[in-house]
Amino acid sequence: EIVLTQSPATLSLSPGERATLSCRASQSVGTYLGWYQHKPGQAPRLLIYHASHRATGIPARFSGSGSGTDFTLTISSLEPEDFAVYYCQQGSTWPPLTFGGGTKVEIK
Amino acid sequence: EVHLVESGGGLVQPGRSLRLSCTASGYTFPDYAMSWFRQAPGKGLEWLGFIRSKGNREATRYAASLRGRFTISRDDPKTIAYLQMNSLKPEDTAFYYCAFDWNDDFYFEWWGQGTLVTVSS
Repeated sequence: EIVLTQSPATLSLSPGERATLSCRASQSVGTYLGWYQHKPGQAPRLLIYHASHRATGIPARFSGSGSGTDFTLTISSLEPEDFAVYYCQQGSTWPPLTFGGGTKVEIK
Repeated sequence: EVHLVESGGGLVQPGRSLRLSCTASGYTFPDYAMSWFRQAPGKGLEWLGFIRSKGNREATRYAASLRGRFTISRDDPKTIAYLQMNSLKPEDTAFYYCAFDWNDDFYFEWWGQGTLVTVSS
């Protein structure tokens, strides 16, 4: 099973600041990595697929990078609606599909 | 527009069974796989399993951690996917979500809002 480790667990930032979230895989997943945003009481929302491709309708302030075992999600300038929990997920080796433990982006 | 709605959640005693439904609309349901996920209180997202389309023999795969207690099925005419959960444990308490991906590449663009299952005596 591929284990995904996200850091930091919590990121305290102000609107307008840049957020940098990390996801590290226990073995290479190539670029088979996605990022999701999840808010309480809502469905998860796919932001990035194949490590760096924005999903339909996702604003350009969200970007993804990386390959192999190290990946980054960057939010260039936080908007109020961006405060949420973010998960990475790999689809390279399954079963199981696995998720990271999440990074909570909270308002400072 | 694609719409997924989970139902069937509620309070259930340990050891009992529960069947969740995921009613889909807005796309050609029979042509796509459906996956199930959950999120326990204070925990992250967990993949439970999926069922492929009839064209892919309705093949199913599951997370090993479920130890065979959960089964996914589908009713294409009704556009419903099911998650049958047996021998429920308190640690199965979670929000349960169904989701699917257009391209069968395990990036899930469409999710339901979730249904809460509470396992408690």
